[in-house]
Amino acid sequence: NAGVTQTPKFRVLKTGQSMTLLCAQDMNHEYMYWYRQDPGMGLRLIHYSVGEGTTAKGEVPDGYNVSRLKKQNFLLGLESAAPSQTSVYFCASSYRREYNQPQHFGDGTRLSIL
Amino acid sequence: AQKITQTQPGMFVQEKEAVTLDCTYDTSDQSYGLFWYKQPSSGEMIFLIYQGSYDEQNATEGRYSLNFQKARKSANLVISASQLGDSAMYFCAMRGLFSSGSARQLTFGSGTQLTVLP
Repeated sequence: NAGVTQTPKFRVLKTGQSMTLLCAQDMNHEYMYWYRQDPGMGLRLIHYSVGEGTTAKGEVPDGYNVSRLKKQNFLLGLESAAPSQTSVYFCASSYRREYNQPQHFGDGTRLSIL
Repeated sequence: AQKITQTQPGMFVQEKEAVTLDCTYDTSDQSYGLFWYKQPSSGEMIFLIYQGSYDEQNATEGRYSLNFQKARKSANLVISASQLGDSAMYFCAMRGLFSSGSARQLTFGSGTQLTVLP
């Protein structure tokens, strides 16, 4: 039961470098989300996707881009990493968007920008 | 807009005792769902329990129960017979029919760090 898988689990970048975080889910979920978690602030939505080929901005989208070329994959890109993007990143998915459906989370990616 | 407030940054409980983690919420939605997630030190987010706004009975899942008081807009998590493995960060979250946007995103509180003492 893989569920939601995030790669990598840890990464250290230098300011200005770029990277892509990969999220893969095997539950055939339509909806996928990228959150970031910062100390004392809970999780905040970066971008989300309501289906293959569609993406939309969340609460804190600046500095990030996303793509959903395949239903099972949702990629989060940092084009030019900044220290303010040091955070723990979580991917989540849900089968439907109804308010009574829980979101299922990956194990997170801990990203440090030096 | 909606907001989740968790006023207890940290809580301690003796092993085998019960503990209540507070959560209050604010929303203009009539239809919404409330969720609790557990985040152990290993970092993953584990879904624990769900309560719907129209549910008349409090939700229960094993040792977890949700004390839902709609008029007070509170959704407190009760953990009975605490175990050492319950030590973790606990997040309250909600999704609203209209206030969560087209993706019905989750809105999270800031969390409560629970420590179970032997």
